[in-house]
Amino acid sequence: DAGVIQSPRHEVTEMGQEVTLRCKPISGHNSLFWYRQTMMRGLELLIYFNNNVPIDDSGMPEDRFSAKMPNASFSTLKIQPSEPRDSAVYFCASSLRGRSLEQYFGPGTRLTVT
Amino acid sequence: GESVGLHLPTLSVQEGDNSIINCAYSNSASDYFIWYKQESGKGPQFIIDIRSNMDKRQGQRVTVLLNKTVKHLSLQIAATQPGDSAVYFCAETSSGNTPLVFGKGTRLSVIA
Repeated sequence: DAGVIQSPRHEVTEMGQEVTLRCKPISGHNSLFWYRQTMMRGLELLIYFNNNVPIDDSGMPEDRFSAKMPNASFSTLKIQPSEPRDSAVYFCASSLRGRSLEQYFGPGTRLTVT
Repeated sequence: GESVGLHLPTLSVQEGDNSIINCAYSNSASDYFIWYKQESGKGPQFIIDIRSNMDKRQGQRVTVLLNKTVKHLSLQIAATQPGDSAVYFCAETSSGNTPLVFGKGTRLSVIA
């Protein structure tokens, strides 16, 4: 298995622009997590899905952030409009709930908003 | 709210020595703990886990110790190697029904 796949790996955009981050979880996994990592705040859970259904989005910082999981093999995290303080590394992780709580992380997307 | 925290933000060890990374947790309901390793430019990678019905678990060169009395978790790395240089996170959850809560991380630097 290729593991969790994220794209793009790097994104540089201007303030006010829409940003879409993409994630393909490990095949067969039924839980998907979006995290944000910064030096100041560490690793923060933004939202997670079980069986494509959003379970907890309390970590989403503002209404500018939205996430979808239209099917078991794809999820997006969108920021509209983006702001410089959104600059961070965004990770997607997946797990096979009920079998193991171990989450497998993707390589991350480094977002820079200028 | 309750959270997972780390005692030491950075740790430097000589190559070949043993490393001990510590973690304090405050949620007494947590019953599952994981250590992750994050190398520069990569996502966190699972190292080892432990359930609350155990106080010790060993892997390859790594040992996790759990002291529920004082809510303390540690990761021991034997014969530390340069490839062990990374940031290490502990994480906790309760019966798998709550998302993992990650600590702030400890940076381990191995001196050759």
